[in-house]
Parts: sequence; structure tokens; C-alpha cells
Amino acid sequence: TQLLEQSPQFLSIQEGENLTVYCNSSSVFSSLQWYRQEPGEGPVLLVTVVTGGEVKKLKRLTFQFGDARKDSSLHITAAQPGDTGLYLCAGLSGGYQKVTFGTGTKLQVIP
Amino acid sequence: EAGVAQSPRYKIIEKRQSVAFWCNPISGHATLYWYQQILGQGPKLLIQFQNNGVVDDSQLPKDRFSAERLKGVDSTLKIQPAKLEDSAVYLCASSPRLAGPRDTQYFGPGTRLTVL
Repeated sequence: TQLLEQSPQFLSIQEGENLTVYCNSSSVFSSLQWYRQEPGEGPVLLVTVVTGGEVKKLKRLTFQFGDARKDSSLHITAAQPGDTGLYLCAGLSGGYQKVTFGTGTKLQVIP
Repeated sequence: EAGVAQSPRYKIIEKRQSVAFWCNPISGHATLYWYQQILGQGPKLLIQFQNNGVVDDSQLPKDRFSAERLKGVDSTLKIQPAKLEDSAVYLCASSPRLAGPRDTQYFGPGTRLTVL
């Protein structure tokens, strides 16, 4: 069974601070996705990274895929209250691109 | 473009009762997924359909859970009989293409099931 461990599990920070969320596995994935989920809603895709070492930026969010395609990180610069939510990484693998979600990181940004 | 629709949004039942959830994916989407999400955790894939065929159901508790996708469009997930540990949000998602590493899944709002 493939596992994706996220750390930290919970994070409460002040508006304007920076943070990094980690997503680690012993398995290799063909791609790695990051989602954000708000209460009462389904996850929404933020980014997909495919190539080992790939870095993608989405405004204040920076995503990196590890060289060995086993891990990833999400860095948020100058966090805002609107960034509050549950952040989920998801690895895709196998012929049918089976999706394995990480354990989740709950972020709270305090104004 | 309409999103993924799910119903009901909430369901409360007693243990050993049966329950069914319905999902209408985005029109034309080939792949459909059902996930179980325990509060505060990441979703766990229960079953993946490609058109109307099952491509992965390795984590579906087949003694009590069943799912079907009629004519490659709508899908239903059934639990019979329900247990207390089935209390969770059941998410449906669809993606436009056959499986690929850049697949984008579009999620519905989920059905929150409480088993008493």
C-alpha cells in the first residue's frame, strides 16, 4: 500500500508569515498534485508536477517535486486568511494513474 | 459548465441500515471516482471507473459496499449494512480523459454520512 505522509498535520500562523508543507513517500509517483479543500466542499486542484525536480509557482505558492519523484513541498509566502484550508497532496501511479492522497495539512491563517 | 453533482448532501442512518449515494459527473468525463474521507484526513479511493468499467476497487470493502456506473455516466455507491466506522464524507470526482499523469479531477461537494 502506498502512503503519503504530510507534515505538519496542523499549522496556525499569523497573516504575513511564510510556511512550508511537506509530502513524503517511499514510493515513486508519475506525478504529484496539490489540492486545497474548504469545509463542506470537495478538494480543488492547485497544481500538477510531473518531472523530478520540477518547480511551479502560482502567485504566492511555490510547489516542488523531489528529484526522485517520491516527495514534494508547498511553500506559501506572506500567508493570507484566504489561504486557510486543508491542503492535500496526491500521488498518481500505475497504468490507470491510481490516486493516493496524503494525510492532509490543516492551515489556519489568523488576521 | 455544470460541476459534479452529488445527492443527498447529508444522510443520517442507524447501523445495519442501507444507504445509497448518487453522483452525476461533468458531461463527457470518462473517468469517475468515489472516495471516502474521514474528518480531517485525506480522501481514500474506494473505486475508479473508466467509462462504465471498473479499473480499481482494491480498497472497496466488497462485503458491504457496492458501486455501479450506468451507461458510463451516472454512478451510485451503496452501503449495506452500514457500520459506525462508515461515518465519513463520500466524495465523487470525475476527470475528462482516460488516465494520464496530468489528469485533473473535479470533485463534487460530497455526501456527509452519519451512522448512529
